[in-house]
Amino acid sequence: KAGVTQTPRYLIKTRGQQVTLSCSPISGHRSVSWYQQTPGQGLQFLFEYFSETQRNKGNFPGRFSGRQFSNSRSEMNVSTLELGDSALYLCASSPPATGQVNTEAFFGQGTRLTVV
Amino acid sequence: LAKTTQPISMDSYEGQEVNITCSHNNIATNDYITWYQQFPSQGPRFIIQGYKTKVTNEVASLFIPADRKSSTLSLPRVSLSDTAVYYCLVEGFQKLVFGTGTRLLVSP
Repeated sequence: KAGVTQTPRYLIKTRGQQVTLSCSPISGHRSVSWYQQTPGQGLQFLFEYFSETQRNKGNFPGRFSGRQFSNSRSEMNVSTLELGDSALYLCASSPPATGQVNTEAFFGQGTRLTVV
Repeated sequence: LAKTTQPISMDSYEGQEVNITCSHNNIATNDYITWYQQFPSQGPRFIIQGYKTKVTNEVASLFIPADRKSSTLSLPRVSLSDTAVYYCLVEGFQKLVFGTGTRLLVSP
């Protein structure tokens, strides 16, 4: 079974531009979540989508947005890029939860975004 | 904002048991605790998850005391390939907070 695929792997953008990152979840997974990882702030949760609806959201400005398509693929968009947006952006998908137990997240390799 | 803290780094030798503790004082009643392992240039990988007391799987054990304000990941008999960064995660309703990460270095 293929893992979580993120594209592109690397990206360089200029301040003020916008960027769209893509994530294809594991087949059968309907939950997709996004994270930002930086040396200074560590791993931070951006948002989660389930069945095309945003189910949970972290504490990031409105410049960060996302969406999920009917095939569960997801995109995240960052507008008006700032130097501080340089980070590794990780996507994870999760299988359907059973009972009250949280399910594990399967992460992709990430997209490394550099803003210059 | 919930704070989830871990030691920055730990050193060990092959064959030893390693215990990494995570402090999560603001954990809520319905929050779960999960631990992930991350190698350079890769996304985190699930290790173990628990709610209270002790959970064990084929690679690790997770100890959670009664007050649930901390948790300890135990790796038995580590090998060189266990050198990685380990993150705890506290997850609940409208909350998902990663720990600061612990860099484990296993030496021969």
